[in-house]
Amino acid sequence: DQQVKQNSPSLSVQEGRISILNCDYTNSMFDYFLWYKKYPAEGPTFLISISSIKDKNEDGRFTVFLNKSAKHLSLHIVPSQPGDSAVYFCAASATQGGSEKLVFGKGTKLTVNP
Amino acid sequence: ETGVTQSPTHLIKTRGQQVTLRCSSQSGHNTVSWYQQALGQGPQFIFQYYREEENGRGNFPPRFSGLQFPNYSSELNVNALELDDSALYLCASSLKRGRSTDTQYFGPGTRLTVL
Repeated sequence: DQQVKQNSPSLSVQEGRISILNCDYTNSMFDYFLWYKKYPAEGPTFLISISSIKDKNEDGRFTVFLNKSAKHLSLHIVPSQPGDSAVYFCAASATQGGSEKLVFGKGTKLTVNP
Repeated sequence: ETGVTQSPTHLIKTRGQQVTLRCSSQSGHNTVSWYQQALGQGPQFIFQYYREEENGRGNFPPRFSGLQFPNYSSELNVNALELDDSALYLCASSLKRGRSTDTQYFGPGTRLTVL
């Protein structure tokens, strides 16, 4: 049972355009959401996060939107750059007796074409 | 500030053997989490250690065990290796203060291949 779903395995956009990566979740107990970026042969790199009490968080070119009623979040990258090409993972945090394990989606491979 | 490091980078074992993977936490972090990432999947939570004690566990059998040391470095041990244990093993460190935990920062991972 996949609690965090990224339904698009891949996305291709032109440099300078907007990239929108989507993520859906099923567990209403999730209270913190994160996006990680992963290059080949490297570990995931933290990108941006959002608490469930907010609906938007912005950091430079990256904005995360959270729609709790729809159990949906999205990551917007504007403008997209070739260096953004990577696999993007959506993760949700579930407090479990004090530990906060991350539940990950399967990832979306973003390709930004020059 | 030193980031999260893991060793070894790659490892090849045969079925039935035992393996130990190591992780050094980011400076100032007191919590370490271990994840398994199979090919084409997202990372899956194995367990978390906070101040040398297990602080949460995912759906992994007891042959997956861990340790956290006083300097907050950590080990993941897997006994009786199976072919399906072939994966990238990631550790992530974070700072836990009270009931909240800060963002988890990942190491580069150890690629384990079981033949």
